[in-house]
Amino acid sequence: KQEVTQIPAALSVPEGENLVLNCSFTDSAIYNLQWFRQDPGKGLTSLLLIQSSQREQTSGRLNASLDKSSGRSTLYIAASQPGDSATYLCAVYDGANSKLTFGKGITLSVRP
Amino acid sequence: DTAVSQTPKYLVTQMGNDKSIKCEQNLGHDTMYWYKQDSKKFLKIMFSYNNKELIINETVPNRFSPKSPDKAHLNLHINSLELGDSAVYFCASSQAGVYTEAFFGQGTRLTVV
Repeated sequence: KQEVTQIPAALSVPEGENLVLNCSFTDSAIYNLQWFRQDPGKGLTSLLLIQSSQREQTSGRLNASLDKSSGRSTLYIAASQPGDSATYLCAVYDGANSKLTFGKGITLSVRP
Repeated sequence: DTAVSQTPKYLVTQMGNDKSIKCEQNLGHDTMYWYKQDSKKFLKIMFSYNNKELIINETVPNRFSPKSPDKAHLNLHINSLELGDSAVYFCASSQAGVYTEAFFGQGTRLTVV
């Protein structure tokens, strides 16, 4: 059974800091990995999708990497801003079962 | 032009009632999902449908019955609501295949009183 872990559960950093959010998963037989952002009381916004054959994806100040064999992904946020404050969720897709399995998320607070 | 839309956004109802949540996607995807986000914010899959056929039923009580009239719609009907059903329910869709980015609706906050 796939398990996705995100540690720590919460993180507080000063504005301008570069930071790394970690995600690990137990079953490396994934189709892809997706990072989402969730603002309080809102839905999920897809940030980056990395296919199983890829090593990384970039979008603006965000860079996500994937090491499938070791079951790890990181989301790098450059020059963090207060507007980046949200919960960041990692999810892996098991294509054989048509199923996205989520971690519990990391709640990020960027202090002005 | 919302890609995945759910209605209603908020639902407050009494125990024992029956209620439905509707979901529609205009992305042309062939797979749709229902997820439940509990009070601890953990997202857990409930159902997955592919081309109107049930693929996953993740040990959800049979009071929950999904209905997919066509590929673009996946509704969730809940019978005999219980206090423990209070949560945020998210609908999502994706295209089958390796490159399958999932898109989520804004969620329906269900409160059972």
